Amino acid sequence: AQSVTQLGSHVSVSEGALVLLRCNYSSSVPPYLFWYVQYPNQGLQLLLKYTSAATLVKGINGFEAEFKKSETSFHLTKPSAHMSDAAEYFCAVSDPSGGYQKVTFGTGTKLQVIP
Amino acid sequence: EPEVTQTPSHQVTQMGQEVILRCVPISNHLYFYWYRQILGQKVEFLVSFYNNEISEKSEIFDDQFSVERPDGSNFTLKIRSTKLEDSAMYFCASSGSREGQETQYFGPGTRLLVL
Repeated sequence: AQSVTQLGSHVSVSEGALVLLRCNYSSSVPPYLFWYVQYPNQGLQLLLKYTSAATLVKGINGFEAEFKKSETSFHLTKPSAHMSDAAEYFCAVSDPSGGYQKVTFGTGTKLQVIP
Repeated sequence: EPEVTQTPSHQVTQMGQEVILRCVPISNHLYFYWYRQILGQKVEFLVSFYNNEISEKSEIFDDQFSVERPDGSNFTLKIRSTKLEDSAMYFCASSGSREGQETQYFGPGTRLLVL
């Protein structure tokens, strides 16, 4: 079964500092990977997705993620954190069992941005 | 931009009562999903629905749950006899296909509290 593991349930960065949120995947087939963001009291918004076209994927709000097969990783980065980036971030994988009908989420990483 | 909407945003109910959570998927989408997120835990897949049938469901989706598309726009999740452990945020999602790289678009969620 497909799964993702997010390292670090809480990450704190200073405003202007690099954001690095870690995600490792486990998949028996080439995976489709996603990062979603959840702002307080809101739903899940897609940040970016990897669909095998390019290993470096750019998303909204200045975020990007790099797919590294050798490391089974899909870490999310942003060069300079803004206060508005404070949210919970979920790495997810599209599960091919049953025909890609479900997305399996990681446990989430809460990002705190310190002024 | 088209979006998934959900009503109500919050619902409080007594244990044993029936609740219906409503969703309006993106209009040209054909695949519909329900997920839930118990407070502090990760987002979990409940069920997928296509062509007026359940196409996949998780072990969480037992006989007390049902889904329906009563008309051309709404997609509902019914919990027949709520339990305390059903308290969670319930997210509806929709997608245009079930290809692995297809994005599932999520609604803002309904926060259900069972007393």
